[in-house]
Amino acid sequence: SQTIHQWPATLVQPVGSPLSLECTVEGTSNPNLYWYRQAAGRGLQLLFYSVGIGQISSEVPQNLSASRPQDRQFILSSKKLLLSDSGFYLCALVPRGSPLHFGNGTRLTVT
Amino acid sequence: KNEVEQSPQNLTAQEGEFITINCSYSVGISALHWLQQHPGGGIVSLFMLSSGKKKHGRLIATINIQEKHSSLHITASHPRDSAVYICAATGLDTSGSRLTFGEGTQLTVNP
Repeated sequence: SQTIHQWPATLVQPVGSPLSLECTVEGTSNPNLYWYRQAAGRGLQLLFYSVGIGQISSEVPQNLSASRPQDRQFILSSKKLLLSDSGFYLCALVPRGSPLHFGNGTRLTVT
Repeated sequence: KNEVEQSPQNLTAQEGEFITINCSYSVGISALHWLQQHPGGGIVSLFMLSSGKKKHGRLIATINIQEKHSSLHITASHPRDSAVYICAATGLDTSGSRLTFGEGTQLTVNP
């Protein structure tokens, strides 16, 4: 069965510090992977999606970047965090024709 | 204008009531998903629909492709059903997996 591992679960970082959130999947190959952000009380905003190694599509211009160094690994990064980067970050696996799978999320607080 | 719109944004019900949450979408889709997000933030998939109706326990999901509309029903609602319910559409892009979310419906079921 397909599973997603996302870490860390919570993170408190100062403004200007770097960020690296990692998402790995099991039980599937060549998955379509997504990073979403949810600000407090708001809906899910698509940040990046990847259909394969090295292939990244950005939905919203921002302070973040993503990379897909391996088939089952998707990384969300920032060189310098802003206060507005605070939120709940979710990695998602969107299999064609199958239910969605989400990681448990990372709650990021930038102070 | 969001491609996926949900209503209502907030819903409060008494235990035992029949609940309906609506979702409308404006683009062609390959599938429509209903998701549940609990206060901890984790998201679970409830249903994936491409046509007709699905039932799981007290939950029923329907979709009308011609009208681009889906509904999630909860029969005999219970306080443990309190959560955010999110509608998401898998789009007809080249990868077949672009996912667009509604803003969510916050459901509170009072005992």
